[in-house]
Amino acid sequence: KQEVTQIPAALSVPEGENLVLNCSFTDSAIYNLQWFRQDPGKGLTSLLLIQSSQREQTSGRLNASLDKSSGRSTLYIAASQPGDSATYLCAGVAGNQFYFGTGTSLTVIP
Amino acid sequence: EAQVTQNPRYLITVTGKKLTVTCSQNMNHEYMSWYRQDPGLGLRQIYYSMNVEVTDKGDVPEGYKVSRKEKRNFPLILESPSPNQTSLYFCASSTGGPYNEQFFGPGTRLTVL
Repeated sequence: KQEVTQIPAALSVPEGENLVLNCSFTDSAIYNLQWFRQDPGKGLTSLLLIQSSQREQTSGRLNASLDKSSGRSTLYIAASQPGDSATYLCAGVAGNQFYFGTGTSLTVIP
Repeated sequence: EAQVTQNPRYLITVTGKKLTVTCSQNMNHEYMSWYRQDPGLGLRQIYYSMNVEVTDKGDVPEGYKVSRKEKRNFPLILESPSPNQTSLYFCASSTGGPYNEQFFGPGTRLTVL
């Protein structure tokens, strides 16, 4: 069974810092990987999707990479802002199922 | 507006009283799924559906039922709810299977007393 670990579980940084969130899978046989953002009391918002044929995706200040051989993904956030404060979740597809990590809670201090 | 809607958003019920949480999407997506989110456990997939009349179990299907009679709707049924089903539930959909971007509903907060 696929297990997904996200490190760190919580992170607090001053505004303007660059930061990296990590996601790893016990079984590297994942098809693709998606990063989400979840605000308190809200649903999930898709940030980036890395398809099986890709190694990374970029959107604005966000960059996500996927190393399928090791089952690891990173989400890089450049020049963090207070509005980035949220929980970040990674999810991988294996077979027809999704497997989510438990998330990294990010706080960006003004 | 393209969206996934869930109803109700909040529900408090008692043990054993059958309930249904509805999920509807207006994006003509083939793939739909249900998740529960619990502290420390993250999101876990309950059931998913690749298309109309095609459903399959996720990681935690016990105590739940689903049906996919129409493409846009994917209700989650709890025939006899128990307190351990108290959770935050999310419905999601995507086009062409689970390999594309997933769109999530706003969530349903369920409490079973």
